[in-house]
Amino acid sequence: AQSVTQLGSHVSVSEGALVLLRCNYSSSVPPYLFWYVQYPNQGLQLLLKYTTGATLVKGINGFEAEFKKSETSFHLTKPSAHMSDAAEYFCAVSRSGGSYIPTFGRGTSLIVHP
Amino acid sequence: EPEVTQTPSHQVTQMGQEVILRCVPISNHLYFYWYRQILGQKVEFLVSFYNNEISEKSEIFDDQFSVERPDGSNFTLKIRSTKLEDSAMYFCASSVPGLMNTEAFFGQGTRLTVV
Repeated sequence: AQSVTQLGSHVSVSEGALVLLRCNYSSSVPPYLFWYVQYPNQGLQLLLKYTTGATLVKGINGFEAEFKKSETSFHLTKPSAHMSDAAEYFCAVSRSGGSYIPTFGRGTSLIVHP
Repeated sequence: EPEVTQTPSHQVTQMGQEVILRCVPISNHLYFYWYRQILGQKVEFLVSFYNNEISEKSEIFDDQFSVERPDGSNFTLKIRSTKLEDSAMYFCASSVPGLMNTEAFFGQGTRLTVV
């Protein structure tokens, strides 16, 4: 079984501040991990993913995430928030070697203040 | 860039009516999925489809739901007799298995409103 917990349904930051969105996963096999972003009235867009290899992965729009096996975490960060980053962010896990069905967390709404 | 397309973008239906949500997955993909997102809640897996049959389904995917790939391009989700609680955003996704191609690509979603 696999699951994802996203801490904080809402995160509020000022423009230019660090963004940190938390994700912890549970998986019985080595996981594949993903962050998706959903802008208002749009679909889910892949930000970045971890499969194997380097544990620090870089994605689009300046986001990155680090896979920490010991902490079962895959937190998403961005050094400096931009107004256009305001969106819903979803962490997802899928099992390796399987059918890649992603299981999503509840999502975190990122609010960026000017 | 190839993308998953869904139609319609918004569907309003009367309770008890049948609805069909349509999706065109990315052409070389082999796995197809339906997810739903009730307003304010998480994105929930409904069903996956591979090699012309359901490969996995969740508890949500009961006898009210069915999926079909009627031709080489479309992938549909049918809700036989809609209920108020079926109101949600429905996302179609597709993927192709492989070490470098592990993510699912999602469509823009169909917002279903049951009145």
